[in-house]
Amino acid sequence: DVKVTQSSRYLVKRTGEKVFLECVQDMDHENMFWYRQDPGLGLRLIYFSYDVKMKEKGDIPEGYSVSREKKERFSLILESASTNQTSMYLCASASRAGVMETQYFGPGTRLLVL
Amino acid sequence: ELKVEQNPLFLSMQEGKNYTIYCNYSTTSDRLYWYRQDPGKSLESLFVLLSNGAVKQEGRLMASLDTKARLSTLHITAAVHDLSATYFCAVDTPHLFAGNNRKLIWGLGTSLAVNP
Repeated sequence: DVKVTQSSRYLVKRTGEKVFLECVQDMDHENMFWYRQDPGLGLRLIYFSYDVKMKEKGDIPEGYSVSREKKERFSLILESASTNQTSMYLCASASRAGVMETQYFGPGTRLLVL
Repeated sequence: ELKVEQNPLFLSMQEGKNYTIYCNYSTTSDRLYWYRQDPGKSLESLFVLLSNGAVKQEGRLMASLDTKARLSTLHITAAVHDLSATYFCAVDTPHLFAGNNRKLIWGLGTSLAVNP
């Protein structure tokens, strides 16, 4: 079974702090994703990575950066957390076989920025 | 721009009843996905529909795809409380981008409550 893990289930941070969210997958997937999920807005793609050190902006990259130094690990960084970044953050991974395969999701990190 | 619309967004139904959730999308797409999310939990893949006329069934859930109408349906048969969850559909974008990959465009989800 595919397993995607995220470093924290719940996180509370102060405005202006630098925040790291970690995601690890154990299925040798090429593609990894960070989404945020907010009530009434569904899932919005923040960043996407299709290979080590490769990243692409999603729909809402402002205020975020990412790092993928190893194939299994994809990190989301909030450079200076703000209250409007309070959200549920979901990491996903998928294999790449020409066309996008099913995405497998981690348990999510619920971030509260005070 | 590819848009994915689900309806209804909220659905309250009685156990034992049947109902259908609809997912419309605005441009052609190769794949359509259905996911389930239990309250406070992450998303779990239910179905991947690959071609026109595709039908997949798992227990009391059946998903179908009509690519000509750009419509997928998720039919619930004889609902039980355990099916209470939020159901999302998502479609591949038609255009390739970085690394010859595509991204998913998501519907807003249908929050289903099955009551005794």
